[in-house]
Amino acid sequence: DAKTTQPPSMDCAEGRAANLPCNHSTISGNEYVYWYRQIHSQGPQYIIHGLKNNETNEMASLIITEDRKSSTLILPHATLRDTAVYYCIVRALQGAQKLVFGQGTRLTINP
Amino acid sequence: GAVVSQHPSWVICKSGTSVKIECRSLDFQATTMFWYRQFPKQSLMLMATSNEGSKATYEQGVEKDKFLINHASLTLSTLTVTSAHPEDSSFYICSALFANTGELFFGEGSRLTVL
Repeated sequence: DAKTTQPPSMDCAEGRAANLPCNHSTISGNEYVYWYRQIHSQGPQYIIHGLKNNETNEMASLIITEDRKSSTLILPHATLRDTAVYYCIVRALQGAQKLVFGQGTRLTINP
Repeated sequence: GAVVSQHPSWVICKSGTSVKIECRSLDFQATTMFWYRQFPKQSLMLMATSNEGSKATYEQGVEKDKFLINHASLTLSTLTVTSAHPEDSSFYICSALFANTGELFFGEGSRLTVL
């Protein structure tokens, strides 16, 4: 079972920052927070991941709360091409290392 | 980033036939690959973990005799849907584990339609 909770859908205006929340209150100390997105009829695309520190790359920023029970993915300047389903996943890098997907958030960027 | 390729991208077959889907890691060796299935408007469901040189590990509720997985080389895993039926119509997606970093790279998916 997925260990994360996300809102089923969100809307954001083009050019604005999109902030996608995720709750993972049962996360273990050795589990990372991963974000993937899936554009319609394509395979998932990796966005970013982190353990406890905030992370930033060319696609997005990841803010993880100090207690690690929740996180926020930030797309700083959303474009129409960012419309997708965004998945927040917790995953250990030891053992099976598999990704178990929850329902994700369907983000729609509006012009 | 690393590339994972699936073939075919889409396939249509008659009920009762078997269909094989290939998953290749193009520029790295993957001892572990994962197979997912996705129905319309639903999330990805993990079907099985494919391990090179050994038997696949299936998730609960997934019929191993229905979905045959072979991982005979470090760059290729295959999923065979045996005696396919219309309810097997789905989007099948694989991912390959890059062991050095723990990153998972996904294929483009294969859409199966069983008539």
